[in-house]
Amino acid sequence: QVQLQESGPGLVKPSQTLSLTCTVSGGSISSGSYYWSWIRQPAGKGLEWIGRIYTSGSTNYNPSLKSRVTISVDTSKNQFSLKLSSVTAADTAVYYCARDPGTTVRSWFDPWGQGTLVTVSS
Amino acid sequence: QSVLTQPPSVSAAPGQKVTISCSGSSSNIGNNYVSWYQQLPGTAPKLLIYDNNKRPSGIPDRFSGSKSGTSATLGITGLQTGDEADYYCGTWDSSLSAGPYVFGTGTKVTVL
Repeated sequence: QVQLQESGPGLVKPSQTLSLTCTVSGGSISSGSYYWSWIRQPAGKGLEWIGRIYTSGSTNYNPSLKSRVTISVDTSKNQFSLKLSSVTAADTAVYYCARDPGTTVRSWFDPWGQGTLVTVSS
Repeated sequence: QSVLTQPPSVSAAPGQKVTISCSGSSSNIGNNYVSWYQQLPGTAPKLLIYDNNKRPSGIPDRFSGSKSGTSATLGITGLQTGDEADYYCGTWDSSLSAGPYVFGTGTKVTVL
């Protein structure tokens, strides 16, 4: 079955760019009609959808983060990535990647990666 | 702040039933499919319900979902101690200020 694993620095300095990668195993990122999403969760708080990418490269982003977010896909490595620029302490959170088997305006997330904690601090 | 409102907490004794509401609007729940997620302490969320009322393979039928108008409901019957977790609803939102995808505020289920 498909599994997802996030990786990247656990500590990022304020004003710098947060970069995370999600590696997909157990299946090809290009097979099937899937979107690939990033979701985050500050400690003790709820879930926030960041954005998603289709294997064609088309993306959708959360309007509140759109100016700072870039999601890309590397099908040769079976990975997709998140870049969040100009980070502040408010971006400290556990970041999850997830597969979205839905359609253009219909989504659900399954499976999820285990999550990775990113702390923004000097 | 989330545009989908859930009660902060619900509780019941083992074997009982709980329901969790998710209240939205015509720009989200009213015109889109709802999914539900269970997040056990210290773990990643897990899909429980998609397309309002469908259960993925492996999810017991103790979990059910429904939608009416601009609200959705998750039901858990035969409550077990292992059901103690946070539960989130989610759906698409067509308003310019939110979304495209939004999660609910989350509900903590406590088994008494």
